Amino acid sequence: KQEVTQIPAALSVPEGENLVLNCSFTDSAIYNLQWFRQDPGKGLTSLLLIQSSQREQTSGRLNASLDKSSGRSTLYIAASQPGDSATYLCAASTDSWGKLQFGAGTQVVVTP
Amino acid sequence: SAVISQKPSRDICQRGTSLTIQCQVDSQVTMMFWYRQQPGQSLTLIATANQGSEATYESGFVIDKFPISRPNLTFSTLTVSNMSPEDSSIYLCSVDQGGGTEAFFGQGTRLTVV
Repeated sequence: KQEVTQIPAALSVPEGENLVLNCSFTDSAIYNLQWFRQDPGKGLTSLLLIQSSQREQTSGRLNASLDKSSGRSTLYIAASQPGDSATYLCAASTDSWGKLQFGAGTQVVVTP
Repeated sequence: SAVISQKPSRDICQRGTSLTIQCQVDSQVTMMFWYRQQPGQSLTLIATANQGSEATYESGFVIDKFPISRPNLTFSTLTVSNMSPEDSSIYLCSVDQGGGTEAFFGQGTRLTVV
């Protein structure tokens, strides 16, 4: 069974610093890996989707890498802002129909 | 992309009662998924709902407790039956267009059982 782990569980940085969030998975036979953002009491917002054939994806200040052989993905957020404060979740899909296995998340606080 | 509306957004229910959560999508989708997020924890998949067939439940979840309907390609309901305080969670529905595309989530239903 696929297991997804996120380290660290919590992270606090001053505004302007770059954020590095780690995600590891036990089964390298993933279909894709997705990063989400969750604000308190809210649903999930999709940030980036990386297909298994891709090494990275970028959107604005966000960049996510994928290394299937080592079972790792990393989300980089450049020049963090207080509005980036949220919980970030990674999720791995092992089929094409979207069933996701989630990590426990990294809670990020960006201080002004 | 897909826009998902979930109702209700929150509810407080008495133990022993049932609550039905609705999920409406603005486009036709093959698969819909129901997740549970217990307090302070990550999301766990409850079941996959495919239109025209019975839902497929994950280990630890049973149809008698979480009956699901999927009457068409844009709508699904999840019922939490015979509730206990341990059912207090956020319940989220999700859709995927298949083929490894992006998953989209509703805003969730925050359920408190007293």
